[in-house]
Amino acid sequence: DAGITQSPRHKVTETGTPVTLRCHQTENHRYMYWYRQDPGHGLRLIHYSYGVKDTDKGEVSDGYSVSRSKTEDFLLTLESATSSQTSVYFCAISGGPLQGSELTQYFGPGTRLLVL
Amino acid sequence: LAKTTQPISMDSYEGQEVNITCSHNNIATNDYITWYQQFPSQGPRFIIQGYKTKVTNEVASLFIPADRKSSTLSLPRVSLSDTAVYYCLVAGSGNTGKLIFGQGTTLQVKP
Repeated sequence: DAGITQSPRHKVTETGTPVTLRCHQTENHRYMYWYRQDPGHGLRLIHYSYGVKDTDKGEVSDGYSVSRSKTEDFLLTLESATSSQTSVYFCAISGGPLQGSELTQYFGPGTRLLVL
Repeated sequence: LAKTTQPISMDSYEGQEVNITCSHNNIATNDYITWYQQFPSQGPRFIIQGYKTKVTNEVASLFIPADRKSSTLSLPRVSLSDTAVYYCLVAGSGNTGKLIFGQGTTLQVKP
């Protein structure tokens, strides 16, 4: 399996508090992604990165910000957590050395976030 | 981006071959078709990817007709452990950042 870790794996927080989730990769892949998964909605893209300091919004980016200061780390921040952001968050990477690999994603184990 | 349509759910029995079809009528010339498998409480896992005709690996086969407007994931002789959600994605290099997952197909394998 691709070397992707997410931290924390579980978190409980209160409404209004800031929360940062970390995704760390050891594969030197160019692209990194943050998804959330909720019952009835499948996986939805929050933000993605196509290089260090290069990020863009996905389909559900409101209330989230990201940063990528190094190739291996992609941070997702909830500036002021709300109950609607209770979800499972998955990080993914793509873009290894093989041609066409940018279209093949590898996922982390996920972070379960509960906002009370 | 090519929109994909899959059946919401499918049932099968152990030992049977399962075929899951994905429709993608507006697929672009440079788009590839990729399938993922997801077990409960885990992230999706890459299964297979193809551009045209047939691709086979140790897990599955992917059949793509000449018009590429659909694709079929074939799982030979499924077991209970193949119970999972299967996602079809269509994307090209130009929209790498827009790898959008649909609802997927929930496959239930029964003994």
